Amino acid sequence: KQEVTQIPAALSVPEGENLVLNCSFTDSAIYNLQWFRQDPGKGLTSLLLIQSSQREQTSGRLNASLDKSSGRSTLYIAASQPGDSATYLCAGANFGNEKLTFGTGTRLTIIP
Amino acid sequence: KAGVTQTPRYLIKTRGQQVTLSCSPISGHRSVSWYQQTPGQGLQFLFEYFSETQRNKGNFPGRFSGRQFSNSRSEMNVSTLELGDSALYLCASSFRQTSYEQYFGPGTRLTVT
Repeated sequence: KQEVTQIPAALSVPEGENLVLNCSFTDSAIYNLQWFRQDPGKGLTSLLLIQSSQREQTSGRLNASLDKSSGRSTLYIAASQPGDSATYLCAGANFGNEKLTFGTGTRLTIIP
Repeated sequence: KAGVTQTPRYLIKTRGQQVTLSCSPISGHRSVSWYQQTPGQGLQFLFEYFSETQRNKGNFPGRFSGRQFSNSRSEMNVSTLELGDSALYLCASSFRQTSYEQYFGPGTRLTVT
């Protein structure tokens, strides 16, 4: 059974800093790993998807990596902005299965 | 290209009633999944439909059911509502078997009183 953990639960950093969010999973058979952001009371916005054959993906100031052997994924945010304040969730799925197993999220606050 | 849409956005029901939520996937997507989000349990998978067939089911009681229509739109139904069913219900769509990236709708906020 896949279990996904995100530590810390909350993080506050000054604007402009680079930061890393962590995601750990128990089942190395994970096929893909997806990062989302969620604003209060809203749905999830897909940020990056890393598929099995990939080790990292980049979009703008965001970079996500996946290390299946160690059971870890990281989301790197460069030059943080107040608009980056949100809850960030990682979720994994096994091959041929659309079911996403979510972590509990990291609530990120960027201080202007 | 329109995103995933969910209706209604907000719903207040009384314990014991039943409710039907609707989800329209992104055009071309044939897989629709449903999730329940609560402060205590986080995001939990309910079920997935693909080509009108339930392909996967989470660990929820039989009061939770769903279906998918030929145009890929999906509905989920909760019967005999309990206070603990109060949650944000999210649906997600994807191409499945081509791209596993899932796109979520804005959710339906269900409050059971």
